[in-house]
Amino acid sequence: AQTVTQSQPEMSVQEAETVTLSCTYDTSESDYYLFWYKQPPSRQMILVIRQEAYKQQNATENRFSVNFQKAAKSFSLKISDSQLGDAAMYFCAYRSAGAQKLVFGQGTRLTINP
Amino acid sequence: GAVVSQHPSWVICKSGTSVKIECRSLDFQATTMFWYRQFPKQSLMLMATSNEGSKATYEQGVEKDKFLINHASLTLSTLTVTSAHPEDSSFYICSASERGFESPLHFGNGTRLTVT
Repeated sequence: AQTVTQSQPEMSVQEAETVTLSCTYDTSESDYYLFWYKQPPSRQMILVIRQEAYKQQNATENRFSVNFQKAAKSFSLKISDSQLGDAAMYFCAYRSAGAQKLVFGQGTRLTINP
Repeated sequence: GAVVSQHPSWVICKSGTSVKIECRSLDFQATTMFWYRQFPKQSLMLMATSNEGSKATYEQGVEKDKFLINHASLTLSTLTVTSAHPEDSSFYICSASERGFESPLHFGNGTRLTVT
C-alpha cells in the first residue's frame, strides 16, 4: 500500500517570504499523480497543484511550485511571496494511475506572520 | 467549476440515533464518490468508495453496518451513521469524480457531526 509522509507538523514564515513544505511517499508503482491540497479554517479542501509522475518538469501554479524528485520519492511544495491568505493546513496526496482515491499525508499547518 | 454540495454542514444528534449526510454533485455526474473522515488536527482517512448503482467498497477497519453508504444516482451519495456514539463525532468529507481516471476530485465542504 502507498503511504505519504509529511514530517513537518507545523511551519511558519514571514509574510512575503518563501517557505517549502516537505512530502515523501512510498510506492512501487511507476505511474501515479501527486497533489498538494490546502485546507483553510473553513475546512474546504482546495487543490493547490498537481504533478504527473511521468512528467519530469516540475509543476507551477503562480506562486506555488513543486520540486518533484521521483527517484527519491520526494514532492515538496514551495510557496513564494507568502500571503496571509496562504495560512492553512496543507496536505500532500498520492493517487495511483487508473485509480481515483487519494492517500493523504498527515498535513502541515502553515502560519504566516505579518 | 464543478461543485460538490454536502449537507448538513453540521449536525448534533443523541447517542443511539442515526444521522444521514448527503453529498451531491451539482453540475456534473459523479460515477464515483469518496467518503473521508477527519479527526481534529489530523489527516483525512478514506472510509469508503461509493460507485453509482453498486455496493460501496469499504476500507479496512471501517464498519459497513455502522456507516451505510448509498449511491443511488449519478449526483447523490449518502452516508448514514447508524446508532451513533460519541466516538463517531468527527468531520466527514465527501469528494466526487466525473467519469474517467483523469478527472479531478471535487470536495464537499464537510459535515461536522457531534454525538452527545
